[in-house]
Amino acid sequence: AIQLTQSPSSLSASVGDRVTITCRASQGIGSGLAWYQQKPGNAPNLLIYDVSSLESGVPSSFSGSGSGTEFTLTISSLQPEDFATYYCQQFSGYPPTFGGGTKVEIK
Amino acid sequence: QFQLVQSGAEVKKPGASVKVSCRASGYTFNRYGINWVRQAPGQGLEWMGWISPYNGYTKYVERFQGRATMTTDTSTSTAYMELRSLSSEDTAVYYCAREPIAAAGKPYYMDVWGKGTTVTVSS
Repeated sequence: AIQLTQSPSSLSASVGDRVTITCRASQGIGSGLAWYQQKPGNAPNLLIYDVSSLESGVPSSFSGSGSGTEFTLTISSLQPEDFATYYCQQFSGYPPTFGGGTKVEIK
Repeated sequence: QFQLVQSGAEVKKPGASVKVSCRASGYTFNRYGINWVRQAPGQGLEWMGWISPYNGYTKYVERFQGRATMTTDTSTSTAYMELRSLSSEDTAVYYCAREPIAAAGKPYYMDVWGKGTTVTVSS
């Protein structure tokens, strides 16, 4: 199975900061990458699919980029509601796998 | 609005089985696949398997092959996931999640999620 490694596993940031989370795949996954946001006690919520396509209703402060084995999720200006855990997911082949998560906390 | 409504929390004893339901509303059920994903307490997300309501095809991650069964009832737009021979390691929140293709032969992202069903396995 394709392994996804997210870094950092956690970070502290302030409102207004630019935040970047990295997801590295154990092999090339083409454009089969998505990002999710999960708040405590809630289900994950799709933010980005196909590496860089923004899901409907998701603020434009979120963006995704990358290719091959290295991908990034960027939050251009962190808002109070963005403090959460973020997961990447590859859907290049079975089984789909998730990264270990990055917890974004308030500094 | 697209919605997946899951069944309520369950408490089971080791060795028992659990069957979680996931009722879809707001969209044509058989045009989208359904994935099952679980999350143990304080842990990350783990994909368990997928079913196509369109043709009943299933895919399971190897570790659940033979222990999990995913089915659908298109007459009620409901998907089910049964897990047998439960152990404490199966204590988790179980999510159903829609993917945008019914039967593509490859995985996809998941665009609509249920709120989750907590399954607790304890003697």
